[in-house]
Amino acid sequence: EAGVTQFPSHSVIEKGQTVTLRCDPISGHDNLYWYRRVMGKEIKFLLHFVKESKQDESGMPNNRFLAERTGGTYSTLKVQPAELEDSGVYFCASSPGPYIPTLTGELFFGEGSRLTVL
Amino acid sequence: AQKVTQAQTEISVVEKEDVTLDCVYETRDTTYYLFWYKQPPSGELVFLIRRNSFDEQNEISGRYSWNFQKSTSSFNFTITASQVVDSAVYFCALSEAGYSTLTFGKGTMLLVSP
Repeated sequence: EAGVTQFPSHSVIEKGQTVTLRCDPISGHDNLYWYRRVMGKEIKFLLHFVKESKQDESGMPNNRFLAERTGGTYSTLKVQPAELEDSGVYFCASSPGPYIPTLTGELFFGEGSRLTVL
Repeated sequence: AQKVTQAQTEISVVEKEDVTLDCVYETRDTTYYLFWYKQPPSGELVFLIRRNSFDEQNEISGRYSWNFQKSTSSFNFTITASQVVDSAVYFCALSEAGYSTLTFGKGTMLLVSP
């Protein structure tokens, strides 16, 4: 069974440009999460989808970030326009249940998309 | 608000040494869950363990063991007889009851040399 896949693995763009990151969760997983790790900092929650609906987007840093999940399958995270502080690794994760602790107890993470903004 | 502190930024050991990775957490909830994840060079985060706040029993899985102490708000991770393949970044994380998101620490990079 395929795991969570993310594309691209690494993207280098100029400040002001647009980048779109894609995440394909494990098939059948209703829950999809985006996290971000800025160099040397904690991995921080960005948002959570349940199927195609945004359940929690409290971690989204500002309106330059737009996340979508078409038909409850794959998700995209667009950064427009990108700023220097957006550089980091963006992780996607999926889980089959709404609450981590009461069901599987784990998130399945992808390998991350590294974004470098110059 | 919850917080996870991993004070050790980087640890270097020689193969076969035992190593302990520290994790201290803060939360106001009485029900919460603690996790450890491993990030190998390939990049993905690999789930290692989940522990709920009502279960203070230590756990052992092969060369890995976890020491959960509520009195000190710590959830430390020990690797016995470390191996080069253990080299990775290890993250401790916390989730409060009713919330599906994780609060991570900054991670500890473990380097195991031959």
